[in-house]
Amino acid sequence: GAVVSQHPSRVICKSGTSVKIECRSLDFQATTMFWYRQFPKQSLMLMATSNEGSKATYEQGVEKDKFLINHASLTLSTLTVTSAHPEDSSFYICSATDRINTYEQYFGPGTRLTVT
Amino acid sequence: AQSVTQLGSHVSVSEGALVLLRCNYSSSVPPYLFWYVQYPNQGLQLLLKYTTGATLVKGINGFEAEFKKSETSFHLTKPSAHMSDAAEYFCAVSGAGGYQKVTFGTGTKLQVIP
Repeated sequence: GAVVSQHPSRVICKSGTSVKIECRSLDFQATTMFWYRQFPKQSLMLMATSNEGSKATYEQGVEKDKFLINHASLTLSTLTVTSAHPEDSSFYICSATDRINTYEQYFGPGTRLTVT
Repeated sequence: AQSVTQLGSHVSVSEGALVLLRCNYSSSVPPYLFWYVQYPNQGLQLLLKYTTGATLVKGINGFEAEFKKSETSFHLTKPSAHMSDAAEYFCAVSGAGGYQKVTFGTGTKLQVIP
């Protein structure tokens, strides 16, 4: 149980284009979802927290107009990187919590974004 | 405020030897503590967690960790390393209760030498 999927697993896009990454909870309702980015050989940095039906809460230093997060349903959250640039290349990971184990985050497999 | 310090970005052990990965935390509230493992180009998998109760926590794949409040530590151990244990390990802390922000350490890469 508690499986989180991400799509796509890898994406390459050209500078200036937008990319959407999906995060789905497959067998539970995700009341809260988190988006992280991870640079090579570094730890996870929280970008934003989203609750279903509410606006996302962004961490300090994260541009909300650049990283658009939508949590439209209890099983789906999306991260859209708008006008991507090479410095946005990173590994993006989502996680989700359910109604029962609200302190435990279930992680998706991650999405490798490369902007050329 | 909370933070996590993992001593040693790289740890090498021989197959069959003891694994010890160190983690110290700082938290202004009672902490929940976690250890995650990450294989290359994959997400994080929970190894074990401490919330309340018994301070010695057993997890998957033979790993365990002990919460020591007086030392603000949560070190991860495994009696005998296996080649499949080679991966990146992250210690993490959150405040007690639900929907808390989780802060991750910088990670320790474990190498297992045959």
